[in-house]
Amino acid sequence: GQNIDQPTEMTATEGAIVQINCTYQTSGFNGLFWYQQHAGEAPTFLSYNVLDGLEEKGRFSSFLSRSKGYSYLLLKELQMKDSASYLCAVRGIAGGFKTIFGAGTRLFVKA
Amino acid sequence: NAGVTQTPKFRVLKTGQSMTLLCAQDMNHEYMYWYRQDPGMGLRLIHYSVGEGTTAKGEVPDGYNVSRLKKQNFLLGLESAAPSQTSVYFCATLGLGVSNQPQHFGDGTRLSIL
Repeated sequence: GQNIDQPTEMTATEGAIVQINCTYQTSGFNGLFWYQQHAGEAPTFLSYNVLDGLEEKGRFSSFLSRSKGYSYLLLKELQMKDSASYLCAVRGIAGGFKTIFGAGTRLFVKA
Repeated sequence: NAGVTQTPKFRVLKTGQSMTLLCAQDMNHEYMYWYRQDPGMGLRLIHYSVGEGTTAKGEVPDGYNVSRLKKQNFLLGLESAAPSQTSVYFCATLGLGVSNQPQHFGDGTRLSIL
């Protein structure tokens, strides 16, 4: 079957670093996406990984290990505005490029 | 979100009523998707379309119908609304042949069924 697991909630301190893990099992793999979603808003794209390794984009980095079915999102220099849900999503290879989403990790950034 | 417009933004229905949610895009994207998002759960795919005139079922299609008569519009219909369909509905689009590109989401429709 297809499944994506990520922690439900995390709390971190402003200025710190936090790592949000994601493990997945899918029947086909065509890339892993991380989205940020503030309460009451639509998801917004953060990062994409299709090959193993680390992708860095400013304060955000994302890592992928296809053999382990594992990814993480690393947020550095946390700011209060980073308080949001972070969604891990895997795109399949079947028609329609269907994407499976995890339930999301709610991150609380405290002063 | 520029390019993907959902209407309405909010709606309250009574059980048994019907309604249609509209998703309109101006990005000339081939693929369009309807998701629902419930508390504690990720986005779940209801139906999707790979092009004008085509539709296909996602993981939770029961109780919903869709149509894609025009490339730019993807309609989601509830024929007889049930309280279990209370949710936030998101439409998303994706361009053809760009597997490394993210989906573009609309702002969502918040639907309550009483």
